[in-house]
Amino acid sequence: NAGVTQTPKFQVLKTGQSMTLQCAQDMNHEYMSWYRQDPGMGLRLIHYSVGAGITDQGEVPNGYNVSRSTTEDFPLRLLSAAPSQTSVYFCASRSRHDSNQPQHFGDGTRLSIL
Amino acid sequence: AQSVAQPEDQVNVAEGNPLTVKCTYSVSGNPYLFWYVQYPNRGLQFLLKYITGDNLVKGSYGFEAEFNKSQTSFHLKKPSALVSDSALYFCAVRDWLTGGGNKLTFGTGTQLKVEL
Repeated sequence: NAGVTQTPKFQVLKTGQSMTLQCAQDMNHEYMSWYRQDPGMGLRLIHYSVGAGITDQGEVPNGYNVSRSTTEDFPLRLLSAAPSQTSVYFCASRSRHDSNQPQHFGDGTRLSIL
Repeated sequence: AQSVAQPEDQVNVAEGNPLTVKCTYSVSGNPYLFWYVQYPNRGLQFLLKYITGDNLVKGSYGFEAEFNKSQTSFHLKKPSALVSDSALYFCAVRDWLTGGGNKLTFGTGTQLKVEL
């Protein structure tokens, strides 16, 4: 059972560079989301998607783009990396039709912006 | 907006002793509450949830949580702690987005350390 797979696990970028964090799930979940985790702040929602072709903003969307062309994949793009985007990024998925079902999380991407 | 608070950054307990990790909530309407655990370099794993029904909720790995409406609390408990329970624990509440969707709002996390 692969579940939610995130790549890469670690990445170091220079300020101004762009990159894409990959997320794939094999559970046929409609709902997918991206969170960032920062010390003392818990997890904060960046963007989410309720199905292919549909995305929306979360709490902290600035500086990030997403797209959802397939049910399985939900990549997160950093347009022009800034040191404030140094964080651990988690992708999560769940069945759309029951928002009380638990979310399944990937193991995260640890991103450092120099 | 809904919110949860975890008042303790760290909890230390001896192996074999009972453990409690505290969470209080602030919601409008009925709360939908969750506990997740995070082991080092891993994503969050679901432990248990409260939606409605019995105030004592049983979950994975021998954990349980007690929902207390009058005290607006949802404390995580385990009768006998194991060293392998050492991890970061998050309380979360279902919250609503302005666009009509919903999300989880997380607490800041409590680091549990179980020592021999």
